[in-house]
Amino acid sequence: AQTVTQSQPEMSVQEAETVTLSCTYDTSESDYYLFWYKQPPSRQMILVIRQEAYKQQNATENRFSVNFQKAAKSFSLKISDSQLGDAAMYFCAYRSTGANSKLTFGKGITLSVRP
Amino acid sequence: NAGVTQTPKFQVLKTGQSMTLQCAQDMNHEYMSWYRQDPGMGLRLIHYSVGAGITDQGEVPNGYNVSRSTTEDFPLRLLSAAPSQTSVYFCASSYSSWTGLRPLHFGNGTRLTVT
Repeated sequence: AQTVTQSQPEMSVQEAETVTLSCTYDTSESDYYLFWYKQPPSRQMILVIRQEAYKQQNATENRFSVNFQKAAKSFSLKISDSQLGDAAMYFCAYRSTGANSKLTFGKGITLSVRP
Repeated sequence: NAGVTQTPKFQVLKTGQSMTLQCAQDMNHEYMSWYRQDPGMGLRLIHYSVGAGITDQGEVPNGYNVSRSTTEDFPLRLLSAAPSQTSVYFCASSYSSWTGLRPLHFGNGTRLTVT
């Protein structure tokens, strides 16, 4: 079974600075999908960014980008120009391409932003 | 467009009581699922459904029942609540079981406390 590991339970960043959140996963599949979700204090789960393993180009969404290293099975999230509204819990998630594929989440990392 | 609607938002139960967490979506999504979120555990899949009349177990199904009589609704039943079921529950849906990069759409969660 696939596993997703987020080894850092907490991180902190100064407003306007850049922070990178780490995520590694274990799989024997060659194609799959990776996601980062944000959960602010409101509890809502918000999709931040997504990547298909088949495509080597790193995904970017405004201030959010990923560093996808397929051989290393690493999918880190970089937040540039951090804002107070970025403070949240962030979850890395994996999904295989097979039928009835399920989303497997890491344990999450709590990001705080210092003004 | 309401998206995924969960009710109630908060619930307190006594051990042994039963209740149903409601989930409805208005996006004509075939795939619906229930997750529970516990501190330090991330989100774990309880049950899922790939269409009306079809359900299957996820990672942590014990103590929970589901049914899918319509495309729109996917209720989660706790037959005899236990303190170990104290958690935040999320319902999520998507277009089909094979969604590629299509994300899961989450409800806002139900915080359940069993005393």
